Amino acid sequence: GAVVSQHPSRVICKSGTSVKIECRSLDFQATTMFWYRQFPKQSLMLMATSNEGSKATYEQGVEKDKFLINHASLTLSTLTVTSAHPEDSSFYICSARASGNQPQHFGDGTRLSIL
Amino acid sequence: DAKTTQPPSMDCAEGRAANLPCNHSTISGNEYVYWYRQIHSQGPQYIIHGLKNNETNEMASLIITEDRKSSTLILPHATLRDTAVYYCIVRVAKNNNAGNMLTFGGGTRLMVKP
Repeated sequence: GAVVSQHPSRVICKSGTSVKIECRSLDFQATTMFWYRQFPKQSLMLMATSNEGSKATYEQGVEKDKFLINHASLTLSTLTVTSAHPEDSSFYICSARASGNQPQHFGDGTRLSIL
Repeated sequence: DAKTTQPPSMDCAEGRAANLPCNHSTISGNEYVYWYRQIHSQGPQYIIHGLKNNETNEMASLIITEDRKSSTLILPHATLRDTAVYYCIVRVAKNNNAGNMLTFGGGTRLMVKP
């Protein structure tokens, strides 16, 4: 089946640090990738959608200058949390899809803890 | 995308069939029904999806009513490892690069008990 790899799985860092999370589709080309965030005991909330080679589309309330998304190839997207603060601590999950009529497949998430 | 309604939680005995219902009474003709599950501290896992016909794969069966206003995910022989939150999502499948993302509701927390 389709495999999406997300790295790192866990990050603990100091406030003010920028953190980069990578998302790779290992056995298919992902024309569209998605980034979600999940707080404890809540459901997944979509942050942004990106198509390869295009600028990401951010959901309302998500700061594009704080959450930088790059989708430079059909197998790799990155999310950079810039100048992270404790309130950015969350579970970040990426998802990839080959084409519009294919299922989305998810990575195993990155647990980000900002001290 | 059409809204879905699922019970917040369900219990199932190990080895028995788990039947998870989902209501999607406002579903449109071109919207698919997708099921995912999320085991604690992991990303969601795709289970199955369908449009009109019932579907079966190695993980589960999906039964969609004739009017498509509801569906049931069936895990034929639940194991302890099937304990997870199960999400029913309806979404238009477009063969283009439009966003068309999955929107997650609260899901059903299935607890499989020994």
